Amino acid sequence: QSALTQPASVSGSPGQSITISCTGTRSDVGSYDLVSWYQQHPGKAPKLMIYDVNKRPSGVSNRFSGSKSGNTASLTISGLQAEDEADYSCCSYAGGSTFVVFGGGTKLTVL
Amino acid sequence: QVQLQESGPGLVKPSEILSLTCTVSGGSVRSYYWSWIRQPPGKGLEWIGYIYYSGSTNYNPSLKGRVTISVDMSKNQFSLRLTSVTAADTAVYYCARAEQLTIYDPWGQGTLVTVSS
Repeated sequence: QSALTQPASVSGSPGQSITISCTGTRSDVGSYDLVSWYQQHPGKAPKLMIYDVNKRPSGVSNRFSGSKSGNTASLTISGLQAEDEADYSCCSYAGGSTFVVFGGGTKLTVL
Repeated sequence: QVQLQESGPGLVKPSEILSLTCTVSGGSVRSYYWSWIRQPPGKGLEWIGYIYYSGSTNYNPSLKGRVTISVDMSKNQFSLRLTSVTAADTAVYYCARAEQLTIYDPWGQGTLVTVSS
């Protein structure tokens, strides 16, 4: 069982917006603005999409955005495109001895 | 740009030692954190640990006692050693550069390690 909870799957049609949630505790997501999101296509390595809750690395589309409220972080993808179909995982700093935790991943299907 | 490449055996016997090396090209290991992350088949990512170029390390408590990460600056490589492996350690193992403890970029392509007799 992963430390951060994500829905197993979400889906949306091209052009729509979807949001993926990542629920932790006040020991991780709730305490630090150190949440990142990764996109992973089948058989490929993860790719950094969002860091520090809502910052986008250079080269990542502005269709991707992040936010946080309490113990839950969210990734929103607007204007869904076929190439967005992938697994998305969240990651948070957890401090103490745990340090870093990941979510179980969410499979995004573009209908 | 920085690129990472994992190397090591794809098959390890139960109770033996899993050893992997990550070669860094296009940049130096003399800065940043360098991490190992794994992904069991069909499951989510699991943080294994990191080493800072100065040599300081931190590991996932669930693996503590079995894991060691080291760095070889002369070869621009860092390595993972996991002892007493079981089938539960079967996974794709990724190495990654960490600018900060939750910013992993770039990643290696990953290498599947199967624990089986």
